[in-house]
Amino acid sequence: NAGVTQTPKFQVLKTGQSMTLQCAQDMNHEYMSWYRQDPGMGLRLIHYSVGAGITDQGEVPNGYNVSRSTTEDFPLRLLSAAPSQTSVYFCASSYAHPTDSGANVLTFGAGSRLTVL
Amino acid sequence: AQKVTQAQTEISVVEKEDVTLDCVYETRDTTYYLFWYKQPPSGELVFLIRRNSFDEQNEISGRYSWNFQKSTSSFNFTITASQVVDSAVYFCALSGGADGLTFGKGTHLIIQP
Repeated sequence: NAGVTQTPKFQVLKTGQSMTLQCAQDMNHEYMSWYRQDPGMGLRLIHYSVGAGITDQGEVPNGYNVSRSTTEDFPLRLLSAAPSQTSVYFCASSYAHPTDSGANVLTFGAGSRLTVL
Repeated sequence: AQKVTQAQTEISVVEKEDVTLDCVYETRDTTYYLFWYKQPPSGELVFLIRRNSFDEQNEISGRYSWNFQKSTSSFNFTITASQVVDSAVYFCALSGGADGLTFGKGTHLIIQP
């Protein structure tokens, strides 16, 4: 049981380059999300999805795109990387509570450390 | 807007001491959930507890205990007889719906041998 798998674990980009952070879960979770963690800032929500074909913005969506074509995968795309996107990125998933989404307990991936020069 | 405040940026104690991590939250929701996550030096995030806003009973799990007080909007976490393995960053978080968790900035707990 792999849980939530993120790749790559480390990546260095130059300003303006594009890349995709991959996230896959094998728990058949409906809900998936991306957070970024910056020193002294806690974790902030970038985008989330409540099911295949459905995505929505979180607190800090600018500069990032997502799509959800399957239940298992939720890739995060940086179209033109900027130094401000240097961060540790966490993907998380959970079952979607049928009536109370606030009850969801997130399972996190191991994180992807991105440096933009 | 929701907000979670963890005023203690870093706490350092000697092994076997008890330590309390504070968490204060703000929300306009009447139904919400509070969480604690642990982030050890290896970097992963580990779920510790979830508490419903309607359940104000304190919870104990081994050396860990949680005190939820709705009157003061606090959800504090106490480790009894701390151990070096408890060294980590601890995050308190608040959820009110599908748009994810609002995290505090975390408290870095250092347990010295």
